[in-house]
Amino acid sequence: QQQVKQSPQSLIVQKGGISIINCAYENTAFDYFPWYQQFPGKGPALLIAIRPDVSEKKEGRFTISFNKSAKQFSLHIMDSQPGDSATYFCAASEETSGSRLTFGEGTQLTVNP
Amino acid sequence: DAGVIQSPRHEVTEMGQEVTLRCKPISGHNSLFWYRQTMMRGLELLIYFNNNVPIDDSGMPEDRFSAKMPNASFSTLKIQPSEPRDSAVYFCASSFGLGAAYEQYFGPGTRLTVT
Repeated sequence: QQQVKQSPQSLIVQKGGISIINCAYENTAFDYFPWYQQFPGKGPALLIAIRPDVSEKKEGRFTISFNKSAKQFSLHIMDSQPGDSATYFCAASEETSGSRLTFGEGTQLTVNP
Repeated sequence: DAGVIQSPRHEVTEMGQEVTLRCKPISGHNSLFWYRQTMMRGLELLIYFNNNVPIDDSGMPEDRFSAKMPNASFSTLKIQPSEPRDSAVYFCASSFGLGAAYEQYFGPGTRLTVT
């Protein structure tokens, strides 16, 4: 059962553009929403995370927007760079489930120079 | 600092053979996770340990899969007998504590091919 739906599956943007990746979840008990970045041949690495008590979190060029009522959250990459080309995964977890993360399907981002 | 270490990095085996994947977590971390990544199913949590004790193995697909953590610095994931549908990249991750907010650090993965 897929509890976190991610879109788009792939995304191509030009250098300097904004990359936007969206996720939607079903389980209203989810209370932690991280984004992971994965380069080819590497394991995923935590990029940024948010809790539902805030609507936005920004770290450098990366921003998470969170809409609790719509059960949606998104990753915005401002001034996208070729080095941002990677696969991005959203995830969700509920504190009572311990450390279990449910991942989205992933978005392959390509930033053209 | 050494990150999570996995071995082997690549494994090719024939159907029916036993496969053992190994993981050394980051020193000081007390939680360890095994994930499987495929194109069809994405990234799935198989099992995780806290203080060497299995906490949640609900993601282990079937009895052919088993995982152990005999001490704080070593874990194995075993598949016996292996099948072609087990072909995937298997990741080990570790974290400093138990709880989703503790960052999970992933290893480089083991790419398993079962022919």
